[in-house]
Amino acid sequence: GDSVTQMEGPVTLSEEAFLTINCTYTATGYPSLFWYVQYPGEGLQLLLKATKADDKGSNKGFEATYRKETTSFHLEKGSVQVSDSAVYFCALSLPKAAGNKLTFGGGTRVLVKP
Amino acid sequence: GAVVSQHPSWVICKSGTSVKIECRSLDFQATTMFWYRQFPKQSLMLMATSNEGSKATYEQGVEKDKFLINHASLTLSTLTVTSAHPEDSSFYICSARDLRKQGAKYEQYFGPGTRLTVT
Repeated sequence: GDSVTQMEGPVTLSEEAFLTINCTYTATGYPSLFWYVQYPGEGLQLLLKATKADDKGSNKGFEATYRKETTSFHLEKGSVQVSDSAVYFCALSLPKAAGNKLTFGGGTRVLVKP
Repeated sequence: GAVVSQHPSWVICKSGTSVKIECRSLDFQATTMFWYRQFPKQSLMLMATSNEGSKATYEQGVEKDKFLINHASLTLSTLTVTSAHPEDSSFYICSARDLRKQGAKYEQYFGPGTRLTVT
């Protein structure tokens, strides 16, 4: 079945450090790919998305490129801030899935220290 | 815009009782709502998909008689956990989308979640 695998956390970084969170997927077909972020005490928010191969999603300094050849969608940010501390979820959605439902990875907790 | 609320945010109930969780879209109409369950340090597992005015579609392994879902209006869906047991203790999250909006097929808006503890 369809699945998403992302690196386990927690990831602890200092402010202004470079962040990478790896995400790979398995899917039958051509999924759309997403990164969601969950700040403490809040619901999940869409961070960025890519709908076809080689697309790059970007938002708030975060970027991820849809790599079909490696079935990956790694999240990167060049200089993190304390406010980036959150749990990050990689997810996929297939066009023919009922209601375009999402399949999530396990989540990666990121802690940025001042 | 696109705010989803859940009520209550936290509930404790005794084993054998039922508890209802509400999910509301505050500033948009949700043609579809999803209910997820999240275990500690684990990912979100989709339980069911509900479309306004029709029966919910449950994922494999989810007991529909235990987790009753009602999506009676375009702004409200409810999840009722019937005859709750300690193993039902979890974090329940809903999300909503409006498929009538252009490009909306990619967007799900999530509620903040409800923590259920069954004693």
